[in-house]
Amino acid sequence: DIVMAQSPFSLAVTPGEPASISCRSNQSLLNSNGFHYLDWYVQRPGQSPQLLIYLVSTRASGVPDRFRGSGSGTDFTLEITRVEAADVGVYYCMQPLQTPFTFGRGTKVEIK
Amino acid sequence: QVHLVQSGAEVREPGASVKVSCKVTDYTLTELSMHWVRQSPEKGLEWMGGFALGTHEALYAHEFQGRLTMTEDTSTDTAYMELGSLRSVDTAVYYCATLGQEQMIDYWGQGSLVTVSS
Repeated sequence: DIVMAQSPFSLAVTPGEPASISCRSNQSLLNSNGFHYLDWYVQRPGQSPQLLIYLVSTRASGVPDRFRGSGSGTDFTLEITRVEAADVGVYYCMQPLQTPFTFGRGTKVEIK
Repeated sequence: QVHLVQSGAEVREPGASVKVSCKVTDYTLTELSMHWVRQSPEKGLEWMGGFALGTHEALYAHEFQGRLTMTEDTSTDTAYMELGSLRSVDTAVYYCATLGQEQMIDYWGQGSLVTVSS
């Protein structure tokens, strides 16, 4: 199984400041079609997870451009350029390259 | 937009089974690739299984093979997940979720809490 490691475990950010979350896999997420299969999800308090970004850097419908995904191979990053209060939640990376799909353990983002 | 409405919370004794339903609205089940993910404090988010895009082959995480059954009733657009031989570690929130064309989980149900306790 592909193991996903996220860091940090938690992050307290001042509104308007940036935040960065790292996700590493123990094998490449590059598919033979040339795309990397790495998604980001956010779970806001009391809610189900929801899709933020797929294929490393494609934002889901309605996701503001403050959220940016990048990376390749085994190293990926989610950046929030200017954190807002609504961004509070737990952020997860997930690889859907091969089954079983696997998730990171999550990064909790809080507001200072 | 796909809406997924799940059945309510369940309590089961160890060794029993549980069946969770997931009703699809605004789409038909045959248009979707339905998957199941659970979440517990101990293990976080775990993909359990789902139907492959295109082929609709049932795929199971090895941890659940033999005790997980996923079915679909296309007449009512309802998907079901049945987990047997329950243990206390199966206590979790169970989500149905759809897989989009780019292999991302694009829609999630609201979750169904299953508690396994004697």
